[in-house]
Amino acid sequence: EIVLTQSPATLSLSPGERATLSCRASQSVSSSLAWYQHKPGQAPRLLIYDATNRATGIPARFRGSGSGTDFTLTIVYLEPEDFAIYYCQQRGNRPVTFGLGTKLEI
Amino acid sequence: QITLKESGPTLVKPAETLTLTCTFSGFSLTTNGVGVGWIRQAPGKALEWLVFIYWDDDKRYSPSLKDRLTITKDTSKNQVVLTMTDMDPVDTGTYYCAHRRPIYGNWDTGDLDYWGQGTLVTVST
Repeated sequence: EIVLTQSPATLSLSPGERATLSCRASQSVSSSLAWYQHKPGQAPRLLIYDATNRATGIPARFRGSGSGTDFTLTIVYLEPEDFAIYYCQQRGNRPVTFGLGTKLEI
Repeated sequence: QITLKESGPTLVKPAETLTLTCTFSGFSLTTNGVGVGWIRQAPGKALEWLVFIYWDDDKRYSPSLKDRLTITKDTSKNQVVLTMTDMDPVDTGTYYCAHRRPIYGNWDTGDLDYWGQGTLVTVST
């Protein structure tokens, strides 16, 4: 199965700064990669699908890029509500797999 | 508005069978192309996809767990039920159900556009 490696494990930034999160796949998943935001006690939220497409209602400050094995989620201007854990997930190969996550903290 | 909510026991004993129910609203599992998935997360581990069930009763299981999982749907109640047999302490974790984003084809995989909040299941004597 495809292993997704996310880096860094923890990212410490301040509101207003730019966040860059990485997800690397052990083999190509084409553009079949999604990003999720997860806050404790809440339902995970789909942010980006197919590497670059924002899901319904997701603000434009969230940007996805990449293809093949290397992907990036960029939050161009951090808002206080953006501090959470972010996961990537691939659907390019069976079975679906997820990364371990990046914790974005203040 | 799509919502999903998981329910079931918080504690099960080793070797017992776990039964979880996902109750949803805002969509129908009789609509062509619609699917629901289950995903779990053990403490400190990555999210793990378990299964998808589709409007036509097609079911796709994780290869590593397919011998222990059964998924069914009750469209009259807007529910999906997951059973997992022979529970072990390593199965402890939070179990989520989620709506599969409509992608026609490639039914073995998918991503999830709406999730429940999850239910924590502990396996212990």
